[in-house]
Amino acid sequence: TQLLEQSPQFLSIQEGENLTVYCNSSSVFSSLQWYRQEPGEGPVLLVTVVTGGEVKKLKRLTFQFGDARKDSSLHITAAQPGDTGLYLCAGGNTDKLIFGTGTRLQVFP
Amino acid sequence: NAGVMQNPRHLVRRRGQEARLRCSPMKGHSHVYWYRQLPEEGLKFMVYLQKENIIDESGMPKERFSAEFPKEGPSILRIQQVVRGDSAAYFCASSPYSSYNSPLHFGNGTRLTVT
Repeated sequence: TQLLEQSPQFLSIQEGENLTVYCNSSSVFSSLQWYRQEPGEGPVLLVTVVTGGEVKKLKRLTFQFGDARKDSSLHITAAQPGDTGLYLCAGGNTDKLIFGTGTRLQVFP
Repeated sequence: NAGVMQNPRHLVRRRGQEARLRCSPMKGHSHVYWYRQLPEEGLKFMVYLQKENIIDESGMPKERFSAEFPKEGPSILRIQQVVRGDSAAYFCASSPYSSYNSPLHFGNGTRLTVT
């Protein structure tokens, strides 16, 4: 069974701080996607990375796919209250996405 | 262009009743996925369907659960003889291709409560 472990599970920070969320697996994935989910809604895609070592930036968010395609990280610079939500990584292999355990981020003003 | 539509948003069932959850994918999307989410947890894959075919049902319990995606109409996730442990949010997602690399578009889920 392919598992994706995310850490930390919960994160509470002040506005303006930086943070990193990690997504780790013992399995190799063909692609890695990151989603953000807000209460009462479905997840929304943030980014897809497909190449080992790939780095993608989305404004204050930086995503990296590990060289061996087994892990990924999400770094947020100068977090804002609007970044609050559940962050989910998801590994793509064969015919479906396997989701990580999730990181609940709360950013206080 | 309407997104993925799920209904009902909230469903309350007594133990032993049946629950039917509906999902209309985005226009042009022929791949549908069902996921289950417990509070403060990630999403657990249940089943992947294309029109009229179940492609992968490895995440769906063998008993009481079934899914279909007919040629016409929405995809249906059916749970027979519900038990309290079935209480969760059930999300449907669609994509134009197999989700190997393509993004999934999620609905806002159906929250099932079994009393």
